[in-house]
Amino acid sequence: GAVVSQHPSWVICKSGTSVKIECRSLDFQATTMFWYRQFPKQSLMLMATSNEGSKATYEQGVEKDKFLINHASLTLSTLTVTSAHPEDSSFYICSARVGQNSNQPQHFGDGTRLSIL
Amino acid sequence: QQPVQSPQAVILREGEDAVINCSSSKALYSVHWYRQKHGEAPVFLMILLKGGEQKGHDKISASFNEKKQQSSLYLTASQLSYSGTYFCGTVSGGTSYGKLTFGQGTILTVHP
Repeated sequence: GAVVSQHPSWVICKSGTSVKIECRSLDFQATTMFWYRQFPKQSLMLMATSNEGSKATYEQGVEKDKFLINHASLTLSTLTVTSAHPEDSSFYICSARVGQNSNQPQHFGDGTRLSIL
Repeated sequence: QQPVQSPQAVILREGEDAVINCSSSKALYSVHWYRQKHGEAPVFLMILLKGGEQKGHDKISASFNEKKQQSSLYLTASQLSYSGTYFCGTVSGGTSYGKLTFGQGTILTVHP
């Protein structure tokens, strides 16, 4: 149980294009979803928190207009990296949680490796 | 503020034990532990809530000392499958609705 599917697994694209990453909870309803960025051999840095049906809450330093998050249903959240540039290259991971209480575990997707040329 | 994990890395032979520590400068509401293998998603291990508790399943257990703002993860009789990076995540403050902040990770390598 508690499976989170993230798609695509990896993407390579040219600078200036926009990339959409999907995060789906397959066997549970995710009230809250999280988007993280992870650099090689480093920790998971929270980018934003999204609750179904409401606007995402972004962490300090994360550009809202660059990283668009939509959490339209209890099973799907998307992250769109707009006008991507080489510095946006990274490993992006989503996680999903039942409810808004942090006593519940977060279940992670397999991540998306984004490379911008 | 990010919790601090120690050690940064540990190398074991199969069957040996290890302890990974997680320390915070803030009062903690809960501590989460995850394991991530290279190129894969972090996998949930356990959550410990304030009130001071210990948990465990199989040969992996953890403790949480809220007074010291510390948690420790204990791996006994390690197996090859235990290799990976272990992250603690902490929720600070007096509410259960705080966000999870991850430590920098501890790389565990188990050799045959």
